[in-house]
Amino acid sequence: DTGVSQDPRHKITKRGQNVTFRCDPISEHNRLYWYRQTLGQGPEFLTYFQNEAQLEKSRLLSDRFSAERPKGSFSTLEIQRTEQGDSAMYLCASSDSGRGADTQYFGPGTRLTVL
Amino acid sequence: GNSVTQMEGPVTLSEEAFLTINCTYTATGYPSLFWYVQYPGEGLQLLLKATKADDKGSNKGFEATYRKETTSFHLEKGSVQVSDSAVYFCALSDRGGSEKLVFGKGTKLTVNP
Repeated sequence: DTGVSQDPRHKITKRGQNVTFRCDPISEHNRLYWYRQTLGQGPEFLTYFQNEAQLEKSRLLSDRFSAERPKGSFSTLEIQRTEQGDSAMYLCASSDSGRGADTQYFGPGTRLTVL
Repeated sequence: GNSVTQMEGPVTLSEEAFLTINCTYTATGYPSLFWYVQYPGEGLQLLLKATKADDKGSNKGFEATYRKETTSFHLEKGSVQVSDSAVYFCALSDRGGSEKLVFGKGTKLTVNP
């Protein structure tokens, strides 16, 4: 049973560039979450999908951020016109609403550095 | 809104010492409560959870009891090992809806031999 995977693991970009991250959840997990973690803080919720539907977005998710889960499997998180304040670890998690819905399994994260 | 407050670190202990990391929460309704652990260079892993009042979650010698009357979920271990050195996060999720997690800021534990 493979876990949640994320790609890339590290991304360095220049301010103003666009970046896209990918998350592959545990197979057959219908729920997928994105969180952001900055240094010395706990993860903060960004957005949530059930199957392909994006059902909740945090106020942290500015208009420059967009997330998709087109076929209810993998998800992408895009940040347009990156800013230095976007530097953080972006975490993906998945869960199964059918059983143990409240137990989320996390991927290793994508560390974004905006220069 | 929902929030989690956990003991600030860092915490430094000697091997075989007793560990307590305090965690209190504010929530509407009856959340599920979690402890996640992040070992150096690794992702977040679920350590234990409890879903209702008076439940005790346990794993790898760690325990935490869901105390509704004090809105707490303190993490304890009787005898820590060097391998327990990590950052520990307390979290809650609403039941129903998205069940998104709300995390505390984390407590860094260092265990010295």
